[in-house]
Amino acid sequence: NAGVTQTPKFQVLKTGQSMTLQCAQDMNHEYMSWYRQDPGMGLRLIHYSVGAGITDQGEVPNGYNVSRSTTEDFPLRLLSAAPSQTSVYFCASSKGLGETQYFGPGTRLLVL
Amino acid sequence: SQQGEEDPQALSIQEGENATMNCSYKTSINNLQWYRQNSGRGLVHLILIRSNEREKHSGRLRVTLDTSKKSSSLLITASRAADTASYFCATDAGQKLVFGTGTRLLVSP
Repeated sequence: NAGVTQTPKFQVLKTGQSMTLQCAQDMNHEYMSWYRQDPGMGLRLIHYSVGAGITDQGEVPNGYNVSRSTTEDFPLRLLSAAPSQTSVYFCASSKGLGETQYFGPGTRLLVL
Repeated sequence: SQQGEEDPQALSIQEGENATMNCSYKTSINNLQWYRQNSGRGLVHLILIRSNEREKHSGRLRVTLDTSKKSSSLLITASRAADTASYFCATDAGQKLVFGTGTRLLVSP
């Protein structure tokens, strides 16, 4: 099992560019989520999904889109990058909401 | 706003001492989880306690939950330098798992 994988590990964008952060899991987990972590802060929920075809907004969804066409993949799209989106992004998955979350290694994003 | 708030924000102790960190939350929960994060890395699950449980142990970890006070505590006994990390509580709020702001623990040899 690879667990939760995220690509890329590091990305630099210019303001206004768009990109997709990839997240995949091979544990057949239904629940997947995206968080961002800013220096010295906890994780803030961006979007989450309780199963294929179902997504919903978290605390800080503005500027981000997600889709869940398969159980395995949960990509996060930045529509028009802004410096405020400079952060570390973590993807996580679990069997269900009340179960252990497995985290990916993170993607460090710098928006200039 | 954050569902959970950890206290203290930072804690510095010597090896062999116990470390206690607290988490307060705002709404009713089904369960509460504690996670650990080493610098710059993904979070690792430590322990889950359900709302009908009051105390749970896992190795050197002891977690308590007081639903009447909407609070939880994580105790690490006989701490080691390798325990240096940030510790987060997470609560399920409806369909979402929401994390607190974390406690940074430094264990000095």
